[in-house]
Amino acid sequence: GQQVMQIPQYQHVQEGEDFTTYCNSSTTLSNIQWYKQRPGGHPVFLIQLVKSGEVKKQKRLTFQFGEAKKNSSLHITATQTTDVGTYFCAGINNAGNMLTFGGGTRLMVKP
Amino acid sequence: GAGVSQSPSNKVTEKGKDVELRCDPISGHTALYWYRQSLGQGLEFLIYFQGNSAPDKSGLPSDRFSAERTGESVSTLTIQRTQQEDSAVYLCASSFTRRTEAFFGQGTRLTVV
Repeated sequence: GQQVMQIPQYQHVQEGEDFTTYCNSSTTLSNIQWYKQRPGGHPVFLIQLVKSGEVKKQKRLTFQFGEAKKNSSLHITATQTTDVGTYFCAGINNAGNMLTFGGGTRLMVKP
Repeated sequence: GAGVSQSPSNKVTEKGKDVELRCDPISGHTALYWYRQSLGQGLEFLIYFQGNSAPDKSGLPSDRFSAERTGESVSTLTIQRTQQEDSAVYLCASSFTRRTEAFFGQGTRLTVV
């Protein structure tokens, strides 16, 4: 079945440093979504990428979808303590009937 | 409703008892998902409902787990003869279609003692 792997599992950064999490799927995806889960909270949708090679930005966050639509990345520039949480990617298969989450990357930011 | 609602928010049960968890999706959302999240872990897919189609039950870990959804309304996840390893947060999510963003409920924290 479809598998979505995410690395790293954990990342500690100093406030102001950059952060990147990578997502790889075992199969070609239709779409990829990114979610953020704050400690003690539930996942909240950030963005969806649909097109091959697509790049989208939200303030300090840059999301990229690979050319082969099998990988994606989330890059945060100049992290802040408010960025703390776990970032999940979630891939939708081509049949559109499965939303598979990666294992998440837990980001910790030292002030 | 304004968002996905789950109840109860917390449930403590004795090993061997049955539990029923409820999810009220956002009105009009055809897709509904159940996930399980153990402490500090990722989201484990359990089951997926899409409209009136047969649900995708491929993630249910054992035959003690079952779920129902009538049309595009409320869903219930039932765990029979609970075990300690069932302790986790059970998250429900709904989306307008299969390819749009999923909205999560606050989850039900299940503790089996």
